[in-house]
Amino acid sequence: QSALTQPASVSGSPGQSITISCTGTSSDVGGYNYVSWYQQHPGKAPKLMIYDVSNRPSGVSNRFSGSKSGNTASLTISGLQAEDEADYYCSSYTSSSTLVFGTGTKVTVL
Amino acid sequence: QLQLQESGPGLVKPSETLSLTCTVSGGSISSSSYYWGWIRQPPGKGLEWIGSIYYSGSTYYNPSLKSRVTISVDTSKNQFSLKLSSVTAADTAVYYCARHHRWFGELTFVDPWGQGTLVTVSS
Repeated sequence: QSALTQPASVSGSPGQSITISCTGTSSDVGGYNYVSWYQQHPGKAPKLMIYDVSNRPSGVSNRFSGSKSGNTASLTISGLQAEDEADYYCSSYTSSSTLVFGTGTKVTVL
Repeated sequence: QLQLQESGPGLVKPSETLSLTCTVSGGSISSSSYYWGWIRQPPGKGLEWIGSIYYSGSTYYNPSLKSRVTISVDTSKNQFSLKLSSVTAADTAVYYCARHHRWFGELTFVDPWGQGTLVTVSS
């Protein structure tokens, strides 16, 4: 299975909004509302930030939001803060009953 | 609070079998709401889903690894395990165990994750 496609890097200044895209196919992102997003700081395990396209787990800041259109899902971080600097990965359920992750995006706070 | 902890050798020789165990605490592995699985991350690279198992023993595997992977579950010990055979240097990675949420048999998202354990393949 092929990894979902994400931009390698995205940057923004504190207070700005950024959006990370996650492009798949009709067999994964486009076919199911099971897209999730994970934040990973260096040396740490990934942390769930968004599930089922747009739902936030308890304890995750409302500055994080998710959406989907066709075969592309998006994660938006508004009011960018220094602590948001990390790697972000999307994931989707697939028609083969597997999970597939995105290529990962490094977010830099300028 | 559910916690997962990986354990196993940190060094495996090429061509041998990598074996890891994940111990689940703070909840039952026999819950009907979840699968339990493994994800790995080579140094400096992205996440790769390896596979998952239901408490009944039903499994799903990444097609690219399927011929070398076996995931098993021991409900009496609240543990599940990973075996990856015929390893090479390309299998060097941090291996995470994690709870996979499910909805009508479909895998939805992964949470929580174990802290991860580095396994190096080298002679």
